[in-house]
Amino acid sequence: QTVVTQEPSLTVSPGGTVTLTCASSTGAVTSSSHPNWFQQKPGQAPRALIYSTTNTLSWTPARFSGSLLGGKAALTLSGVQPEDEADYYCLLYYGGSQRVFGGGTKLTVL
Amino acid sequence: QVQLQESGPGLVKPSQTLSLTCTVSGGSISSGDYYWSWIRQHPVRGLEWIGYIYYSGSTSYNPSLKSRVTISIDTSKNQFSLKLTSVTAADTAMFFCARESLLWGDYTVIDYWGQGTLVTVSS
Repeated sequence: QTVVTQEPSLTVSPGGTVTLTCASSTGAVTSSSHPNWFQQKPGQAPRALIYSTTNTLSWTPARFSGSLLGGKAALTLSGVQPEDEADYYCLLYYGGSQRVFGGGTKLTVL
Repeated sequence: QVQLQESGPGLVKPSQTLSLTCTVSGGSISSGDYYWSWIRQHPVRGLEWIGYIYYSGSTSYNPSLKSRVTISIDTSKNQFSLKLTSVTAADTAMFFCARESLLWGDYTVIDYWGQGTLVTVSS
């Protein structure tokens, strides 16, 4: 069974920069896995931020960016705001029709 | 703006069938541009993609759930539904319905979600 791994928790200071990563048990994450990133705040549904590694949606704040880094998918937040405190999930595609979520990263802004 | 709303029982007995419906408003479920999906979130195990259905009725399911899952669509009501059979306590989760916008091939972005409905499996 494929496992997608994220950092369980990270802490960043307001105004700082933080990078969250997403690794696959099958090997290096590449653009063909079409990494997606989601933000989830308490009591809310997840909200898509990034799709296909680097693409943003109309509602994605400019401080969020996606990339590939050292065989992993990465989500970078630059100039972190207090409202960015949330859980972040990545999603990888396997064979097109299969999707596997990562376990999530709890981001604390402190 | 498209909106999705889950409905169904919040409590299901072990060994029974969990049934949920998602009503889509603000857009047509018959569009060929989308998949319509179910995703669940366990308190501990996180998010799990269950499967999707296309307006034509074609489906794809998570292999780990495939033997117990059926997703169906009713284009006349702009709804799609989930059935999960032989449930146990391990199926207790928040269930979300969602829209996946097709990009290229079978790749998508899950761009709209319902608010979710909590289903507890207990006698």
